[in-house]
Amino acid sequence: GQQVMQIPQYQHVQEGEDFTTYCNSSTTLSNIQWYKQRPGGHPVFLIQLVKSGEVKKQKRLTFQFGEAKKNSSLHITATQTTDVGTYFCAEAGGTSYGKLTFGQGTILTVHP
Amino acid sequence: NAGVTQTPKFQVLKTGQSMTLQCAQDMNHEYMSWYRQDPGMGLRLIHYSVGAGITDQGEVPNGYNVSRSTTEDFPLRLLSAAPSQTSVYFCASSGQGSNHYNSPLHFGNGTRLTVT
Repeated sequence: GQQVMQIPQYQHVQEGEDFTTYCNSSTTLSNIQWYKQRPGGHPVFLIQLVKSGEVKKQKRLTFQFGEAKKNSSLHITATQTTDVGTYFCAEAGGTSYGKLTFGQGTILTVHP
Repeated sequence: NAGVTQTPKFQVLKTGQSMTLQCAQDMNHEYMSWYRQDPGMGLRLIHYSVGAGITDQGEVPNGYNVSRSTTEDFPLRLLSAAPSQTSVYFCASSGQGSNHYNSPLHFGNGTRLTVT
């Protein structure tokens, strides 16, 4: 099946620094979804990207889908302590039926 | 709406014991799925269902059974627990998407299972 590689596995930043996590695939992705999981919590949907080169923003978060649809990134500007958690990318295929292939996740720690 | 409800939140089993993790959703979603989460491995799909009476295997189905007798409920059964099944289990549901837009997953709060 589709494999999605996510890097880095861990990222420690000082509050106010930027943060980026990357997802890469050797094959073309139909779409990419991003989820955030707070410590001890469950994954929560953030956004979905479908089009080649697509860029979407949510306040300090910027999501990009590569032109070749083989990679995606999530960038957080000026991190805050509320950004702490694990960020996952996931690929759903053309029709997911609830079947997503998740990246390994990036655990973000923000030091105040 | 309660969303996706999972029970229990925590469970400790001895090797060889069986148990059922419960999952219920009240959003009338067609699709339901079970994932397990292990450190450094993301979430891996165990089983999924596209509607009542229809289930199929995911990436890591061995040692687990599911059934979907109603739209709302999707229990996960561990037949004979093994230490390798120590994990956090998440149930999720989603509705139908359109074209290439997939409806996002709504997750339950998870069940932390330890098998000794």
